[in-house]
Amino acid sequence: GQQLNQSPQSMFIQEGEDVSMNCTSSSIFNTWLWYKQDPGEGPVLLIALYKAGELTSNGRLTAQFGITRKDSFLNISASIPSDVGIYFCAGQPGAGKSTFGDGTTLTVKP
Amino acid sequence: EAQVTQNPRYLITVTGKKLTVTCSQNMNHEYMSWYRQDPGLGLRQIYYSMNVEVTDKGDVPEGYKVSRKEKRNFPLILESPSPNQTSLYFCASGAGKYEQYFGPGTRLTVT
Repeated sequence: GQQLNQSPQSMFIQEGEDVSMNCTSSSIFNTWLWYKQDPGEGPVLLIALYKAGELTSNGRLTAQFGITRKDSFLNISASIPSDVGIYFCAGQPGAGKSTFGDGTTLTVKP
Repeated sequence: EAQVTQNPRYLITVTGKKLTVTCSQNMNHEYMSWYRQDPGLGLRQIYYSMNVEVTDKGDVPEGYKVSRKEKRNFPLILESPSPNQTSLYFCASGAGKYEQYFGPGTRLTVT
């Protein structure tokens, strides 16, 4: 199947710092999605991106759909302790199929 | 409350004993999908369904079966489980083609 490279694998930051993570692929995707997973739970959708070049915000989160359609990034501004978790990108080439990155584990130190 | 439910949440079984993990959603979503998640890895798609009686393979369908006889239910069937199917399984549903809402997960151990 298609591969997504998500980086960094983990991040340790101080509360209040900004965070940036990204995903790249050798294949084109029509949709990019970003999810957060808390321990013991299923992923929760944070942001969905549908058009190349699109920049979308959800509170302190901002994500962009790369112009080449092969990459996306997620920024979190002014991190807080509840931002702790695993963040996943997912790319979809078309309706139905989904490919997930391996996740970025975020630790926020108070 | 809008939700995706999975049963059981935890299951320990033995090699070769057929099992079914149920998934149900109450949001009238057309799209449903199954994933497995292994330590350090993202979610890998097993099967998905765009509507009743329409199912397609994801990236890792070997050893699994699904059916979609009703809109709300999408069971995952392991006819002859093996230890390499020990994993955390998630069901998801969505109204559109892309956004997905995940269930709480089923942790399966095959000995």
